[in-house]
Amino acid sequence: DAKTTQPNSMESNEEEPVHLPCNHSTISGTDYIHWYRQLPSQGPEYVIHGLTSNVNNRMASLAIAEDRKSSTLILHRATLRDAAVYYCILRGGGADGLTFGKGTHLIIQP
Amino acid sequence: GAVVSQHPSRVICKSGTSVKIECRSLDFQATTMFWYRQFPKQSLMLMATSNEGSKATYEQGVEKDKFLINHASLTLSTLTVTSAHPEDSSFYICSAPYGVVEAFFGQGTRLTVV
Repeated sequence: DAKTTQPNSMESNEEEPVHLPCNHSTISGTDYIHWYRQLPSQGPEYVIHGLTSNVNNRMASLAIAEDRKSSTLILHRATLRDAAVYYCILRGGGADGLTFGKGTHLIIQP
Repeated sequence: GAVVSQHPSRVICKSGTSVKIECRSLDFQATTMFWYRQFPKQSLMLMATSNEGSKATYEQGVEKDKFLINHASLTLSTLTVTSAHPEDSSFYICSAPYGVVEAFFGQGTRLTVV
């Protein structure tokens, strides 16, 4: 799987937007960009995924660069419950397991 | 969304005993499930792929005789940690793919071997 690079940690204030960056310069044309998050002592939770176009769902938005070498997960209004480790993962269309990097530890200040 | 349930959520066992962890897809069928292990302050590491009706495939460095995987039905995979030792203490997590792109994870099992 192609590698992703994320900042180790980020800090934001409650009720403010959060932009979590991810670099994936070696992405292939068939790789989907996935985001998962893991709250303490829980399994990862699916957040969003995309291929080329920007995506929105009830949890977040995903902005994908035109060259697809980077993407940004956007939490529009962070709450304390959004404090978690966020993983950006590339995955092809096959049925292989996911390769997790170190992710970004998001800290939300009240 | 789809739900994957893992049981137990927490288990403590004595060194040398075996522990079984169950992973169920509650509202969809999963011919494939994945087992991960996560040590404190580290990321998830894929251990093995569980295939319904056939043998599991293990990642390099994972002992297949120690981590027995059975995928007897389309909704259930089990991981048995045999002859557990303190170094096997970890957070074990299963997941099942849903459709072509998505994956759903269980809530994890915290194994402590004493």
